[in-house]
Amino acid sequence: QSALTQPRSVSGSPGQSVTISCTGTSSDVGGYNYVSWYQQHPGRAPRFIIYDVNKRPSGVPDRFSGSKSGNTASLIISGLQAEDEADYYCCSYAGRYSGVFGTGTEVTVL
Amino acid sequence: EVQLVESGGGLVKPGGSLRLSCAASGLTLGHSWMSWVRQAPGKGLEWVANINQGGGEMSYVDSVKGRFSISRDNAKNSLYLQMNSLRAEDTAVYYCVREAPITPHAFDIWGQGTMVTVSA
Repeated sequence: QSALTQPRSVSGSPGQSVTISCTGTSSDVGGYNYVSWYQQHPGRAPRFIIYDVNKRPSGVPDRFSGSKSGNTASLIISGLQAEDEADYYCCSYAGRYSGVFGTGTEVTVL
Repeated sequence: EVQLVESGGGLVKPGGSLRLSCAASGLTLGHSWMSWVRQAPGKGLEWVANINQGGGEMSYVDSVKGRFSISRDNAKNSLYLQMNSLRAEDTAVYYCVREAPITPHAFDIWGQGTMVTVSA
């Protein structure tokens, strides 16, 4: 149950795209298509933005998208906006009803 | 309005116990798996435990096995976390979270969190 590995920080200018990676193992990310992503602004509860690797819940802008290759999942934020500045966490199902979060990535809009 | 409201957090000495509660409004908890997720100050999210709709299936992260116990009362639309033998490293904001009905282990509704501080 080791945390999934994410870059500590990424940055981009408004309008640009940024990609956040989330690396696990064949026991979690690589073994299931059950990767989800969360956005968290300071002092707030996390917000659910992606599930099942690449599906968006209702109300989430299509600027947010997801993908997966092998043991690594990715969140792509296209057309970066100021309000996208936040911490982002991936999460993967890890079998036997358990799961594991990523280490978290701080996104800075320059 | 759909809402999860946690309570029961506070300051406790190492080795002590606390019971967290989560009350739901605007949704029926009994229809969903429920989880507790925690976040230590300045740190990332950590899944702690979950429980199925009927309360017969529970899972825990290794670090709390044998010390924490998750339960639910569907008649009261509530979720609980009994925390025993608390350690300093259990200090965190604890979130009550609904697992999305459409997919396993994705968390679509979050409470505002309750702070647990373990310190002498």
